Amino acid sequence: AQSVSQHNHHVILSEAASLELGCNYSYGGTVNLFWYVQYPGQHLQLLLKYFSGDPLVKGIKGFEAEFIKSKFSFNLRKPSVQWSDTAEYFCAVRDSWGKLQFGAGTQVVVTP
Amino acid sequence: DSGVTQTPKHLITATGQRVTLRCSPRSGDLSVYWYQQSLDQGLQFLIQYYNGEERAKGNILERFSAQQFPDLHSELNLSSLELGDSALYFCASSSARENIQYFGAGTRLSVL
Repeated sequence: AQSVSQHNHHVILSEAASLELGCNYSYGGTVNLFWYVQYPGQHLQLLLKYFSGDPLVKGIKGFEAEFIKSKFSFNLRKPSVQWSDTAEYFCAVRDSWGKLQFGAGTQVVVTP
Repeated sequence: DSGVTQTPKHLITATGQRVTLRCSPRSGDLSVYWYQQSLDQGLQFLIQYYNGEERAKGNILERFSAQQFPDLHSELNLSSLELGDSALYFCASSSARENIQYFGAGTRLSVL
């Protein structure tokens, strides 16, 4: 069965600091990987996705993620965070039926 | 705005009751997915419909059922409600071409 593991449940950092959120997955098939963000009180929004090709993918709001097949990882990064990046971040893997398996989420708090 | 509409936004009800959550997918999307988000279980896939037919089932209780209508909107029916059913219920839709799920704002269910 597929699973997704996010390393940190809570991250607190200051504005302008760099952010890296870890995500490891377990899935035997072709992987489609996603990072979603949930701002307080809002719906899940897609940050970026990886289907195939260049393992370094760029998303919205300055986020990027790197797919490392040998490590079953899909870590999310942002070089310099802003207060508005305070949100919960979810890594997800899509199975062959199309449903998403989500990680537990990482709550990120950016302090001014 | 994702284009996926969920109603109602909030629902407060008592144990033992039955409620219906409604979802209208993005224009043209044939697939609808339902997810439950709770503090202890995280984001869990419940069920998927594609063009009116059930496509995949996840951790959905027997007390819960769903359907997708000819106009492609979907309803999630929750019956014999228990305190533990209190959660955020998200609907997502996708097109076969894009393989990306777009989420609605969710329905927050409180069972008292």
